[in-house]
Amino acid sequence: AQKVTQAQTEISVVEKEDVTLDCVYETRDTTYYLFWYKQPPSGELVFLIRRNSFDEQNEISGRYSWNFQKSTSSFNFTITASQVVDSAVYFCALSSNDYKLSFGAGTTVTVRA
Amino acid sequence: GAVVSQHPSRVICKSGTSVKIECRSLDFQATTMFWYRQFPKQSLMLMATSNEGSKATYEQGVEKDKFLINHASLTLSTLTVTSAHPEDSSFYICSARGVTGLRDIQYFGAGTRLSVL
Repeated sequence: AQKVTQAQTEISVVEKEDVTLDCVYETRDTTYYLFWYKQPPSGELVFLIRRNSFDEQNEISGRYSWNFQKSTSSFNFTITASQVVDSAVYFCALSSNDYKLSFGAGTTVTVRA
Repeated sequence: GAVVSQHPSRVICKSGTSVKIECRSLDFQATTMFWYRQFPKQSLMLMATSNEGSKATYEQGVEKDKFLINHASLTLSTLTVTSAHPEDSSFYICSARGVTGLRDIQYFGAGTRLSVL
């Protein structure tokens, strides 16, 4: 069985602060995919980033960066210089070869002006 | 980018009626579409997996006669909530997975908020 844990329920920051969201996962599969999605108040899920289990290279994409550590089964996500528009619920998700997504509970990020 | 359209965005219906929700991939062909349900302030729970031209696969605990899924083409899947009751009130959201490119990425529709009176 797959499991995704987002221990942080809510995070509140002031604009321009960095925000790091934690994600820990469990899976018995050797091939799997990790995702971060953003759900703004309007409800739609916006795809942010994806990583497969064979690629632990961490990258930066604009204000987003991620830290994939296979040894600790963690896939943390950082928003640099946060903005009010970053306020949303962020979901970490995991899928294997069947492509079914298992979502974490979500972390609500509030960025105050 | 990949666009998934979901319609309607909001529906209010009387108990006992059926409601159909459409999910369309607008600029790509979707091998597989997924239907999720989300209760307020909770995570998304997978209800079923829909493959074009075949029967949907339902997750444990999801009533297939209650939630009818049809995937008639590579760009359209529908979810029909039959004989809806207040406990079916929820946010339903679909996703689509492409046949080319990054096939492991699911792109989501904007969701449908169902309220059953």
